[in-house]
Order: sequence, then C-alpha cells, then structure tokens
Amino acid sequence: DAGVTQSPTHLIKTRGQQVTLRCSPKSGHDTVSWYQQALGQGPQFIFQYYEEEERQRGNFPDRFSGHQFPNYSSELNVNALLLGDSALYLCASSFIGTANYGYTFGSGTRLTVV
Amino acid sequence: AQRVTQPEKLLSVFKGAPVELKCNYSYSGSPELFWYVQYSRQRLQLLLRHISRESIKGFTADLNKGETSFHLKKPFAQEEDSAMYYCALKNNYGQNFVFGPGTRLSVLP
Repeated sequence: DAGVTQSPTHLIKTRGQQVTLRCSPKSGHDTVSWYQQALGQGPQFIFQYYEEEERQRGNFPDRFSGHQFPNYSSELNVNALLLGDSALYLCASSFIGTANYGYTFGSGTRLTVV
Repeated sequence: AQRVTQPEKLLSVFKGAPVELKCNYSYSGSPELFWYVQYSRQRLQLLLRHISRESIKGFTADLNKGETSFHLKKPFAQEEDSAMYYCALKNNYGQNFVFGPGTRLSVLP
C-alpha cells in the first residue's frame, strides 16, 4: 500500500495564476482533508471531502476550492494565486468510521508563488 | 475558539535525559487530543491519541482537563527521537484537526 500519494511534489507558479493539486487516499479510506502548512507553522485545515461533497471548511477564501471523485481521490484548486499562498499543501485521508484513529498524511506538495 | 499552543519552538535535551513537550489547548467541549510527529524527510504521522492511553516509543501523554494541557513525556530521550512534534485537537462535531505550531526536539549525544 503506497499510502497517501500527492502530485506534484513541487510547483512554481506566478501571482494571479491558478493551480491544481492532486491526492490519492490510502486504500480503504473514503475521506480526504486538505491542510496548508506555511513555513514554521503547524498545518491549517482548508476543507474536507466525503462522498464527493465538501463536508467541512476552514477559514480560507473562496479562491480555494476542491473536488472529490468517485474513486475517493481529490483535487485542490487555488485561483488568483497570491505570494502568501506559498506553502506546503498536505493531503490526509481517513475512513469515516475510524477517524478517531487519526489521519494518514501524504508527503505534500510544495507550492511557491513568485 | 479552538486553539492549540506549544510554547517551545525548540527543545534540546541530552540523550538519556527526561523530555516533556508542552501542549495547551482551548476548547469548550470535550476535545480529543493527539500528538503527531515528523521525522527528518518523512511525512507527518500519528504518534499517540489521548483516548487510547497508550505508550508509543516510550512516549506518554495525559490529558489534564483542569489545566487544559496534554503534555508529551518520555523518561529517557533517545537520539532517534529528534523530530518535529505537533499537538493537535479534534472536536466532537467536525472531523478536522487544529494543530499547534510545533516543537522541534533535538536530542544531543
């Protein structure tokens, strides 16, 4: 089992552009959460998807949107990129019935906005 | 508001010394607390959960609701314990975690 896989690993974008990050959850997991981790800080919750719907959302603007596909994989889209969007974006998966056991995290996508 | 604080950005101890990583939280309900660890060049991974009252790699953590704390302790630190440690809170309503800023533990030989 490869666990949670994220792509790409690194990305450089220009201010104002749009970006799509991808995540494949661990086998058997049906819920995907996205986190933003700025340098020197802990991960911050962006949103969570379950059954192809956004289930919960953190304090992030509408420029951040997502999608979950029938195979449980997920995408994170960010529009009109700002310099402040530069961060490590983490995907975490879980099974809705055992979320209390914690999440499995991916290695992340390092986004740099220039 | 839900918040997790970890007052130490960096904690250095010598091998064999006791270690305590501090975590305090603010939450009005009954929180679930977790410790996550990130070793060098590895992904974030769950270390332990307060509800299981387990000891993982010699680490333990006790939830103190009176002091709203969930400090991580180990009686004898090992060099392989050097890593970034994050305390996290999960509420009863949502499924997301609120993470603290993290503490970097450095165990010196």
